Amino acid sequence: AQKVTQAQTEISVVEKEDVTLDCVYETRDTTYYLFWYKQPPSGELVFLIRRNSFDEQNEISGRYSWNFQKSTSSFNFTITASQVVDSAVYFCALSEPLKNTGNQFYFGTGTSLTVIP
Amino acid sequence: DAGVTQSPTHLIKTRGQHVTLRCSPISGHKSVSWYQQVLGQGPQFIFQYYEKEERGRGNFPDRFSARQFPNYSSELNVNALLLGDSALYLCASHYGPGSGSYEQYFGPGTRLTVT
Repeated sequence: AQKVTQAQTEISVVEKEDVTLDCVYETRDTTYYLFWYKQPPSGELVFLIRRNSFDEQNEISGRYSWNFQKSTSSFNFTITASQVVDSAVYFCALSEPLKNTGNQFYFGTGTSLTVIP
Repeated sequence: DAGVTQSPTHLIKTRGQHVTLRCSPISGHKSVSWYQQVLGQGPQFIFQYYEKEERGRGNFPDRFSARQFPNYSSELNVNALLLGDSALYLCASHYGPGSGSYEQYFGPGTRLTVT
């Protein structure tokens, strides 16, 4: 079973529209971390946000906002007033602690967002 | 400050050969993680090293191995290459032992093609 599910494979929106990228995760740990990364065509993963399992406060950073709901194991990402530069593949990821203080990282399959001018 | 660097950028190998990929973390970062990203998929966790010790291992065969050096740089080695090993190999560095509790910074990756 997938630890992180991003059901939306591809999304296209017209510039200035709002778009929400869905992420559902699965874990038995009580302590874990959730992430969103952006991968533009250049290929380098860019960190967007980290959220620990004890902090369910929603977060807003400019046009970006995140909605973390433990009850539904979801960590959704909304871009407001999308821009062409937002076009990229977005990955949701889950990090679970290991016994030796390390962490196991799981990425979703990604959502390819295309913003049409 | 320099970001995470990886070498080489691109690599073409033949089935059965061996390959070594290199990664230099951000200055001050003591932990390195390796990922394999097959085209159209999300990165798959391979290894995590902290202070030269392996701290995490993903579901990869023993053909994959890694090590971390005293300067915190790292090598990923893959033996007996298969066509399915063709992928983008990403290195990420972070300050502490747990990649979840610290922000990971990714390098540009090494594109490996096995023919």
